[in-house]
Parts: sequence; structure tokens; C-alpha cells
Amino acid sequence: IVLTQSPGTLSLSPGERATLSCRASQSVSSTSLAWYQQKPGQAPRLLIYAASSRATGIPDRFSGSGSGTDFTLTISRLEPEDFAVYYCQQYGSTPRTFGQGTKLEI
Amino acid sequence: EVQLVESGGGLIQPGGSLRLSCGASGFVFSSNHMSWVRQAPGKGLEWVSFIYIGGGTDYADSVKGRFTISRDNSKSMLYLQMNSLRAEDTAVYYCARGGYQFESWGQGTLVTVSS
Repeated sequence: IVLTQSPGTLSLSPGERATLSCRASQSVSSTSLAWYQQKPGQAPRLLIYAASSRATGIPDRFSGSGSGTDFTLTISRLEPEDFAVYYCQQYGSTPRTFGQGTKLEI
Repeated sequence: EVQLVESGGGLIQPGGSLRLSCGASGFVFSSNHMSWVRQAPGKGLEWVSFIYIGGGTDYADSVKGRFTISRDNSKSMLYLQMNSLRAEDTAVYYCARGGYQFESWGQGTLVTVSS
């Protein structure tokens, strides 16, 4: 399953709302989709799994939605620490695949 | 606190072999699926392999037949044996907890394949 993220780069300001998209080439079974955040020089961090469930310790300004082939990560009010690269990943089938990433910049 | 610590990376010539290790702590290793994910310099994430609790494994097509994942539950260790290395295997290799979503990640170990 090929995952295509859009936009490639998103330029916003702190306090604004961010909407990131992830589209799958075929239906992702059982909403088996996750979102990760990666900052420069750091390992990725799991934000969302099962399309809409927040991982442990993730602030509630992060939310996920979607099913089938269209998924969205929303950050309700951007904090300075949210500027990073975001990846979606499907785990409904093998091979596990990632999107190419969306860079969220100030 | 969950900790995953990778080791074993380095500079290796094309065609060579390398074994990566990942030490786990802070959770019941034997009760968790485990995976390797890599990231080429300046690129995105690529799943490499997973090993299930019961020992079942799977690999990305790009490494199938060359890489072997294994685990030692008695030592809480995960391994990746990499043979016939190619330039395109150059990447940071992350150990991750989980075989579906990846719940925790190590800091990674850099593998550079170059002559």
C-alpha cells in the first residue's frame, strides 16, 4: 500500500490549526493507520494509532481521523515544539509502509 | 521507562556483513513484537523487518534473503544480521517496539556502506 502525504511542506504560525493529509493507494484495513512526529536528530515518536487513538502522553491538541483510504492528522493550536516532520504509516498489511512525510515549518 | 539501545553500526564495504543489536528495558520484552525501521540520510522512514512474539518474521522486499531478524528473550535483545550489504542500505537503523504501530523507538545506529 502506497501512502501519499500532502502537502509536502506546510508553513504556519504558532496558535494556528494544522491539517495534514495521508491518502492510501488501497483501503487500509481496520483503520490500521498511525502518525509519527520526528524532530531533527531524533527518533520518531508515535502520536496516533488506529487512526484516531492518541498514544500515551500525547497532548489532546493532536487528533486523527479517517478511514478507508483518506486519513487526517489535525493539530488544533500549534505550539513552537510542534514544528517537525510528520509521517503516516499503515499496518493493516505487509509490507508496513510509511508516507513520504509532511514538514511543518514556521 | 521504556529504553531501546541500538549498537553495531559502522562503516562497511559493499558486500560485507554487519550485525546490529538492540537492548531493551522497561517492559516485558518477551511479550512484545519487535521491528527494525531504517532512514537513509535526508530521507523518510522505511520498514525493514519485524519478529512476532511467537517468532514469526517478515521482511521488506529490498532486504529479503540478505537480512535476518532474531531475538533472545532471555537477554531482552533484538538482532539484525545484515549480509551482502549495498550502498543503498546506508541508513540509520532504528529498533522499535511493536510489529504493527511502532510504540517506542531507540535512538538509532548509523550503517554506512561504502568503499
